[in-house]
Amino acid sequence: GAGVSQSPSNKVTEKGKDVELRCDPISGHTALYWYRQSLGQGLEFLIYFQGNSAPDKSGLPSDRFSAERTGGSVSTLTIQRTQQEDSAVYLCASRGLTPLHFGNGTRLTVT
Amino acid sequence: RKEVEQDPGPFNVPEGATVAFNCTYSNSASQSFFWYRQDCRKEPKLLMSVYSSGNEDGRFTAQLNRASQYISLLIRDSKLSDSATYLCVVNGFGGKLIFGQGTTLQVKP
Repeated sequence: GAGVSQSPSNKVTEKGKDVELRCDPISGHTALYWYRQSLGQGLEFLIYFQGNSAPDKSGLPSDRFSAERTGGSVSTLTIQRTQQEDSAVYLCASRGLTPLHFGNGTRLTVT
Repeated sequence: RKEVEQDPGPFNVPEGATVAFNCTYSNSASQSFFWYRQDCRKEPKLLMSVYSSGNEDGRFTAQLNRASQYISLLIRDSKLSDSATYLCVVNGFGGKLIFGQGTTLQVKP
């Protein structure tokens, strides 16, 4: 596809369950970012992948959060033992020589 | 201190008004600067990049002040359709792109 694709678009899960969020970046984009946006708030940086370099994980809020990027393309953000405060929209973005292009996000609700 | 800071507003202005937003950043080594626009419950979209010498795109003008470490966005002749949240973006330590919390603009008839 032409844009950044995220799945699922919506996810409702029970507290304590694990969730996986997927991001398909624009083909050829070497940089991939994950951000989190809570209702009415700005974008909180989570993690940044650039080519084959070690990812910048400085924004991950706890060790329950992890992300990987396989083959320099698809990325998966995993949240273990979800908590209610994890409820937010998780946005993925990719970048080549152009500025960031965002996916539509995954709206996560932890009940 | 946050790496990128914005006044959240809201800025309420009448149609036709000129409005300006500032955004300060903490990393003096930052090289990349952008303004994004985010509509309610939508993903952010690029409004314009910010160049060292300042740049203009129609009614929008972006400027960079390296000495004081801020960027600005000026909107002339505001339209109802300009109502949105404006996010400044700066490359931070390690090259990652950091967003400000956004400034909300509401243009009234």
